[in-house]
Amino acid sequence: GESVGLHLPTLSVQEGDNSIINCAYSNSASDYFIWYKQESGKGPQFIIDIRSNMDKRQGQRVTVLLNKTVKHLSLQIAATQPGDSAVYFCAETRMDSSYKLIFGSGTRLLVRP
Amino acid sequence: ETGVTQSPTHLIKTRGQQVTLRCSSQSGHNTVSWYQQALGQGPQFIFQYYREEENGRGNFPPRFSGLQFPNYSSELNVNALELDDSALYLCASTPEVGRNTEAFFGQGTRLTVV
Repeated sequence: GESVGLHLPTLSVQEGDNSIINCAYSNSASDYFIWYKQESGKGPQFIIDIRSNMDKRQGQRVTVLLNKTVKHLSLQIAATQPGDSAVYFCAETRMDSSYKLIFGSGTRLLVRP
Repeated sequence: ETGVTQSPTHLIKTRGQQVTLRCSSQSGHNTVSWYQQALGQGPQFIFQYYREEENGRGNFPPRFSGLQFPNYSSELNVNALELDDSALYLCASTPEVGRNTEAFFGQGTRLTVV
């Protein structure tokens, strides 16, 4: 069935270090993969997306890598800051049935001062 | 902060009761989706509304229903509440149907069923 999951439920990093959050997906027909950040008491906030025909995309301090061979997605955050502490979700969507996002269960990122 | 607003932010209901949650979409967005997020889980798609019609539904029973109004705002109604309905209910709007990568989420409504 369709699923998007995460390898690590909690990640603790030192402020200033780089963070890597991983995600495995099962549906190779997905067209887009998206990373969201969710802070306590707030809704998910879009971070970055990547189309399925790409393997890397960079944003401000963030990079998403897509490995379609092993159906693996990762989010790299450079120079992690205390404000990056949140739960991160990966999600997938498809253009042919793109009325929904399919979310994974999330990884909590804790940034130690 | 996004322009998607939800009300109320929190509420407590008794099992068997009915509840209505409201969502105002981002300016310029005509499509609204609702998601249920249980504690410690990722959001699960309930349904989407486009042009005041339901346009896709997830694996939720018929007691979950919705509406969309001409101004694109939306309501989620849940009848015969069960304890397992306790969750954060999220509304997301998109500029058009099929543009989920541009979804903006509201802050959610925390529903507790006792």
